[in-house]
Amino acid sequence: GAGVSQSPSNKVTEKGKDVELRCDPISGHTALYWYRQSLGQGLEFLIYFQGNSAPDKSGLPSDRFSAERTGGSVSTLTIQRTQQEDSAVYLCASSLRGLYSYNEQFFGPGTRLTVL
Amino acid sequence: AQTVTQSQPEMSVQEAETVTLSCTYDTSENNYYLFWYKQPPSRQMILVIRQEAYKQQNATENRFSVNFQKAAKSFSLKISDSQLGDTAMYFCAFNVGSSNTGKLIFGQGTTLQVKP
Repeated sequence: GAGVSQSPSNKVTEKGKDVELRCDPISGHTALYWYRQSLGQGLEFLIYFQGNSAPDKSGLPSDRFSAERTGGSVSTLTIQRTQQEDSAVYLCASSLRGLYSYNEQFFGPGTRLTVL
Repeated sequence: AQTVTQSQPEMSVQEAETVTLSCTYDTSENNYYLFWYKQPPSRQMILVIRQEAYKQQNATENRFSVNFQKAAKSFSLKISDSQLGDTAMYFCAFNVGSSNTGKLIFGQGTTLQVKP
């Protein structure tokens, strides 16, 4: 079946512009995660959605970052007034249920964001 | 704070030989899960192997096995009979079993190159 998909694959933007990154999780997966991978760094948790519950936003680095998940499926990560330090690969993952930590997270190919 | 440390930024191994990647973590929790993920140049994160902390037996998946030392908080990955396709970045990751999000905490990663 289809895996997690993300679009765009690459995004180049100018400092100060807003960007939207999209994630399509695996059908039937109720848990969705966003992570950020900066150059030479490991993955950093950003936000988590589980079904219709309130999201866990504890990893968002600033109020310029926001995310939504419509209809329990597609998610959009929005970065407003982008800064050069926002340049990174943004990875999305989904799993059957986030409530059980052993559930495997399946990752998308990521969006590489470059802020000039 | 819960942290994961990978002390080897880069490693190389000859094809068909064995290599071990190191990982240590820090947590005060007793119930948790440990993972090794592989990220090839395509950026697609792939789960290699998983270990439940309550299990004493080390996990194995074909050519991949772990050495889990709970008291030492160590979780190394051994790759036997290395293949060119094993060339990738490897991430050690951790999450807490009692967590209601399943979010992963990642190490910095180890870049492994398999040489012909």
